[in-house]
Amino acid sequence: GAVVSQHPSWVICKSGTSVKIECRSLDFQATTMFWYRQFPKQSLMLMATSNEGSKATYEQGVEKDKFLINHASLTLSTLTVTSAHPEDSSFYICSATRDREEQPQHFGDGTRLSIL
Amino acid sequence: GENVEQHPSTLSVQEGDSAVIKCTYSDSASNYFPWYKQELGKGPQLIIDIRSNVGEKKDQRIAVTLNKTAKHFSLHITETQPEDSAVYFCAASMRGYSTLTFGKGTMLLVSP
Repeated sequence: GAVVSQHPSWVICKSGTSVKIECRSLDFQATTMFWYRQFPKQSLMLMATSNEGSKATYEQGVEKDKFLINHASLTLSTLTVTSAHPEDSSFYICSATRDREEQPQHFGDGTRLSIL
Repeated sequence: GENVEQHPSTLSVQEGDSAVIKCTYSDSASNYFPWYKQELGKGPQLIIDIRSNVGEKKDQRIAVTLNKTAKHFSLHITETQPEDSAVYFCAASMRGYSTLTFGKGTMLLVSP
């Protein structure tokens, strides 16, 4: 149980393109979803927290106009990297939790984004 | 805010040996401590967790201990196997199961 699916797993695109990453909780309703960024050989850095039906809460230093997050349903959150540039290249990982039932965070398998 | 320190950054053991990874946290209000295993190119996978009202928890070859007074918790893996090789992250949370603060990770290498 507690499966989180992330798509796509790998994307390569040109500078200036906008890229959308989907995060789905497959077997539970996620009240809260999180988006992380991970650089090589480093820990996970929380970018934002999203609750279904409300605006995402961004961590300090994360541009909300650059990284658009939508949590339209209890099973789907999307992260859109707008006008991506090479410095946005990274490993993006989502997680989901059913917070009201104190369920642990379960992670997707990440999306490797490469901007040329 | 919360700060989590994790040691060692790299740990090499022989197959069958035990491995111990230690973490300390700064905020005494933290009450939930999960451990995640991350294999190359994949997302973290929860392997065990512990709440502040428990001192120890065990699941087969994996155990976690928590010392609230000293504000540190440890992951113990016994009878290590090559497939245990991965990066392990500890984390702490002050609000139940939300908003985790992660340690920097430990790369565990288990040699056959």
